[in-house]
Amino acid sequence: GQQVQQSPASLVLQEGENAELQCNFSTSLNSMQWFYQRPGGSLVSLFYNPSGTKHSGRLTSTTVIKERRSSLHISSSQTTDSGTYLCASSWQLIFGSGTQLTVMP
Amino acid sequence: EAAVTQSPRNKVTVTGGNVTLSCRQTNSHNYMYWYRQDTGHGLRLIHYSYGAGNLQIGDVPDGYKATRTTQEDFFLLLELASPSQTSLYFCASSDAGNYAEQFFGPGTRLTVL
Repeated sequence: GQQVQQSPASLVLQEGENAELQCNFSTSLNSMQWFYQRPGGSLVSLFYNPSGTKHSGRLTSTTVIKERRSSLHISSSQTTDSGTYLCASSWQLIFGSGTQLTVMP
Repeated sequence: EAAVTQSPRNKVTVTGGNVTLSCRQTNSHNYMYWYRQDTGHGLRLIHYSYGAGNLQIGDVPDGYKATRTTQEDFFLLLELASPSQTSLYFCASSDAGNYAEQFFGPGTRLTVL
């Protein structure tokens, strides 16, 4: 079945720096979502992006189907970006283990 | 107005206890899902349903039952709760099963002592 590898597992930035989060999938990619998980646990859907590039404010998601990978770029990071970022694929949403992002002031 | 709601938001029970987690969606979606999330893991699918009266087994179904009573309501039942079921539980809904975007509830934190 599908396996999802997220990297890095954790990332510490200074405020204002950019971040690049990666997801790699073991089998063909046909559905893709990125989530932000708040420290309290609730999930925020960031992108539904099966292919191509999507933008939302300081966030950009790029999915390359042929290469079975997706990335999330965060520009000009802020302390409020701190939390866990999860990617998921497949119609039943196979999740990666997440990237724990900490943005220092 | 939140489209996927869960109750309770927090629950503490003892080993062997009986627990029901509730989920309601107002998206008019056909598919609903129950996931659990444990430290070091992403979310893992327990059960899902594509309509009232339907139930499908997910990846980690052992120890759980589920029931979809209406298009809106999906319940997760733990009839003999064990400490290994201490977890954060999420419900989600989607319009279709085939690679459609899923919308999540706020989660229920369950502790089994």
